[in-house]
Amino acid sequence: HLQLQESGPGLVKPSETLSLTCTVSGGSISSISHYWGWIRQPPGKGLEWIGNIYYSGVTSYDPSLKSRVTISVDTSKNQFSLKVSSVTAADTAVYYCARPTGIYYHYFDYWGQGTLVTVSS
Amino acid sequence: QSALTQPASVSGSPGQSITVSCTGTSSDVGGYNFVSWYQQEPGKAPKLMIYDVSNRPSGVSNRFSGSKSGNTASLTISGLQAEDEADYYCTSYASTTTLVFGTGTKVTVL
Repeated sequence: HLQLQESGPGLVKPSETLSLTCTVSGGSISSISHYWGWIRQPPGKGLEWIGNIYYSGVTSYDPSLKSRVTISVDTSKNQFSLKVSSVTAADTAVYYCARPTGIYYHYFDYWGQGTLVTVSS
Repeated sequence: QSALTQPASVSGSPGQSITVSCTGTSSDVGGYNFVSWYQQEPGKAPKLMIYDVSNRPSGVSNRFSGSKSGNTASLTISGLQAEDEADYYCTSYASTTTLVFGTGTKVTVL
């Protein structure tokens, strides 16, 4: 049974870089049939897709975040990571890692529990 | 990419059927049969309920169904139950490597 677990600091200062890791268990992150993704949800607001990554390192990002976001993968640790640079209060959110699937990796069938990241000095 | 438009809230009595709409454009909902729906209970991660417009994952009740007409997709919950009370989000494939979520709908069981 596939499980995903987010980890990282819960508090980040404005202008700094937010860094989170998603650890995958119960399956290999190197599976040829799957990408891995990040989604976030500001408190009391809706879901926002951030981006996806293939085990080979191929990425796709939401255009509005692309300039500040980097998603990477570490197959040796069965993990993938998210970095968001130059954060502001608007980046405060629950961050979820998830597995996108489908012909265009356009829906998510497994999700982590989510981790709240607050941007504040 | 603008968020897909959903009603802020929909309510119904137990046993009734309700429909949640999700309106986009010809560049997303109307252009592809790649709409999915998620149920999110308070404090929990979203759960996939429908994918590719009308397909249900294993384990999801057949009281949940999806459809699409033009630029609008719909989620119908039949035989509404108290346990269906949650937030529901649609999402659609939008273009090469882009995904867009809906604004979300709070479903209340009266």
